[in-house]
Amino acid sequence: GAGVSQTPSNKVTEKGKYVELRCDPISGHTALYWYRQSLGQGPEFLIYFQGTGAADDSGLPNDRFFAVRPEGSVSTLKIQRTERGDSAVYLCASSSEPGLATGEQYFGPGTRLTVT
Amino acid sequence: GNSVTQMEGPVTLSEEAFLTINCTYTATGYPSLFWYVQYPGEGLQLLLKATKADDKGSNKGFEATYRKETTSFHLEKGSVQVSDSAVYFCALGGGNQFYFGTGTSLTVIP
Repeated sequence: GAGVSQTPSNKVTEKGKYVELRCDPISGHTALYWYRQSLGQGPEFLIYFQGTGAADDSGLPNDRFFAVRPEGSVSTLKIQRTERGDSAVYLCASSSEPGLATGEQYFGPGTRLTVT
Repeated sequence: GNSVTQMEGPVTLSEEAFLTINCTYTATGYPSLFWYVQYPGEGLQLLLKATKADDKGSNKGFEATYRKETTSFHLEKGSVQVSDSAVYFCALGGGNQFYFGTGTSLTVIP
């Protein structure tokens, strides 16, 4: 009974580089969320997938951020031309309850991204 | 829009003390309300939830009541333990999104 896993756990990259962050949700969970958590803050919503499609991507800060979930399971968050302000912990969560935000989410341990 | 305002910390209590962490919200529609907890070195996990007004969520001795009239969801525990030391996040579920507060760090000393 594996939980949500995220890789890598830590990523250090130089300003301007491209990064990919991976999330493996709990098997069978159709809903998947990405969040960004800056130091001393709560998680900030980025994007919500229901199955393969992005049901709500209104939290993505700009067009440098993009996420995919091609087979409805694993998801990848992609950040182009990284900036120092992108440094944060990126959290992934999955849920068996689609639709309205009423269900329990199961969070992964996060990927700590540092842009130098 | 939707938002959550949470009591700032850090909070330090002696073991067996009473705990209250305040949380108020702003929302359109009828959101669900949650408390999540993050223990040291671990990921966020759901502590309790309430899906409609006047519902009380409870777990591990913690309670919170969904108060529509005061738009609040305060977390309480009658007697805290050292093992309750963690960061607590109030959250609101509305539409497709969840909105989290900034978190309150609790330290319980023996």
